[in-house]
Amino acid sequence: DTEVTQTPKHLVMGMTNKKSLKCEQHMGHRAMYWYKQKAKKPPELMFVYSYEKLSINESVPSRFSPECPNSSLLNLHLHALQPEDSALYLCASSQGFRGAAEAFFGQGTRLTVV
Amino acid sequence: QQPVQSPQAVILREGEDAVINCSSSKALYSVHWYRQKHGEAPVFLMILLKGGEQKGHEKISASFNEKKQQSSLYLTASQLSYSGTYFCGTESNTGKLIFGQGTTLQVKP
Repeated sequence: DTEVTQTPKHLVMGMTNKKSLKCEQHMGHRAMYWYKQKAKKPPELMFVYSYEKLSINESVPSRFSPECPNSSLLNLHLHALQPEDSALYLCASSQGFRGAAEAFFGQGTRLTVV
Repeated sequence: QQPVQSPQAVILREGEDAVINCSSSKALYSVHWYRQKHGEAPVFLMILLKGGEQKGHEKISASFNEKKQQSSLYLTASQLSYSGTYFCGTESNTGKLIFGQGTTLQVKP
């Protein structure tokens, strides 16, 4: 199984809503990532988890809250988002930390904030 | 710091070759190459590590000049399926994989 599964695929939420994005992998990878991608732009790193601990936060606003309940799961909790947060949110995982192994990406959650 | 890719866009006919370049101002630990088709997730193509190790698909080749912090991706005998946006990702031993702005490749029949 070389898949990273993200749910939901699409999400529309209001600015006062609370929602969560879910990411799951069963490859035994110990590094997991959240990226945000706007149209025609590269993926932009948000968070990195290594061995279930948050190791990198790229100065992401607190309305985005990551969580890693176990080595296979990664969540991104959303609260009080703004319309400019609308984007494709990609989860990725890799075998090694520090760039020594390829990252496997999920299909993403396309988020629209209204 | 975001790596810089060139060119921004390439249009090819089937069977033609292309080279996509990636450069960074920071000392690099590794360079990754990914291809993303419209509406899909990025797909891994190649990783080049400091010290010369490479991992990737057989039909893809790339180089990594550690002294110049530059990498090039070589696409030979292009096929229609090669169309998409190519991203290089660079990592400087911090765990941060940062992507360049992308190179859009269109292969025409």
